[in-house]
Amino acid sequence: GENVEQHPSTLSVQEGDSAVIKCTYSDSASNYFPWYKQELGKRPQLIIDIRSNVGEKKDQRIAVTLNKTAKHFSLHITETQPEDSAVYFCAAVGGNNRLAFGKGNQVVVIP
Amino acid sequence: ETGVTQSPTHLIKTRGQQVTLRCSSQSGHNTVSWYQQALGQGPQFIFQYYREEENGRGNFPPRFSGLQFPNYSSELNVNALELDDSALYLCASSWGVLTEAFFGQGTRLTVV
Repeated sequence: GENVEQHPSTLSVQEGDSAVIKCTYSDSASNYFPWYKQELGKRPQLIIDIRSNVGEKKDQRIAVTLNKTAKHFSLHITETQPEDSAVYFCAAVGGNNRLAFGKGNQVVVIP
Repeated sequence: ETGVTQSPTHLIKTRGQQVTLRCSSQSGHNTVSWYQQALGQGPQFIFQYYREEENGRGNFPPRFSGLQFPNYSSELNVNALELDDSALYLCASSWGVLTEAFFGQGTRLTVV
């Protein structure tokens, strides 16, 4: 099955700086890559996703890039704000059509 | 809010007991997936239901079972509860298996 890994596990950034979270996946048949944000005690919320036929997607301060050859994808958050502090999960849908999650990154935005 | 609701929100059970968790999917969605999220970990796939049929299962023992109803709501049943079953149980609904999945708020299960 699909195996998704995230790096780093914790990321601290100054408010206004950029944050980048990287994920790798193992199943070359994976074709859908969503990112979820989970605040403490709350449900995971979809913030952006990308499909395998696209290399990059942007939505305001958030962007995701996908490198199919290297089997990795990244989340970029620009102009970080305190409300961006949360745990971010990357995920991938592999050939078995299951959504496999990484272990999550704790992002801390320092005011 | 996503329109996906789960009940109950919190539950305390004794080891060996059985539990049923419920999930109402978002209107128009025909697929429900269940996940177990241990503290500090990512959600782990339990199984998925598509149009009332099981459509994939993760590495969970048979005492984890489920079903989906004609209105696409779903239940997760866990028999013979163990202490390690303590976790946040999340359901997510979607239209099909390769589209955006939206999560419910989860059920926090504690087994004592």
